Amino acid sequence: NAGVTQTPKFQVLKTGQSMTLQCAQDMNHEYMSWYRQDPGMGLRLIHYSVGAGITDQGEVPNGYNVSRSTTEDFPLRLLSAAPSQTSVYFCASSSGSLNTGELFFGEGSRLTVL
Amino acid sequence: AQSVTQLGSHVSVSEGALVLLRCNYSSSVPPYLFWYVQYPNQGLQLLLKYTSAATLVKGINGFEAEFKKSETSFHLTKPSAHMSDAAEYFCAVSDNGNQFYFGTGTSLTVIP
Repeated sequence: NAGVTQTPKFQVLKTGQSMTLQCAQDMNHEYMSWYRQDPGMGLRLIHYSVGAGITDQGEVPNGYNVSRSTTEDFPLRLLSAAPSQTSVYFCASSSGSLNTGELFFGEGSRLTVL
Repeated sequence: AQSVTQLGSHVSVSEGALVLLRCNYSSSVPPYLFWYVQYPNQGLQLLLKYTSAATLVKGINGFEAEFKKSETSFHLTKPSAHMSDAAEYFCAVSDNGNQFYFGTGTSLTVIP
């Protein structure tokens, strides 16, 4: 049971570099999202998608880009990394139904921007 | 706009003592409320959820939470703490199953 798979688990970037965090789920979930977790701030929503071809911004979208070409994949792109983007990133998916309503999380990607 | 507030960023209890982690919510519509647990270097996993059925919700590992509309609260409890309960706990709210809003988390330490 793979669930939600994130790669890479660890990454170090220099300021100004770009990279893509990959996220894939095998549960046929329509809803996918990216969060960042910072000490004392909980999880903050970056971007989310309610289905293939549909994305929207969350609380902290600046500096990040997403696309959703398939149901399974939801990559997060950092266009020009900044030290403020040093964080742990989590991808999550759900069926989008409140009655089942559970978010399934990946194991996280720890990003350091120097 | 929805939000949750978790009172106490750190809670310490002795092994065998009652665990009480507090969560208050703000929502303009009847909310759906969740508690998640995060063990070190792992993602979050669902402990329990309230979806407008019974107000007392039982979850995994002996945890339960009670929805109190009059107090806008959804506190998490466990009668007897175990060492394995040491983790970070997050309260979350959603009104549509798409956007989830998380609290800032409470780190639980269990003292032997």
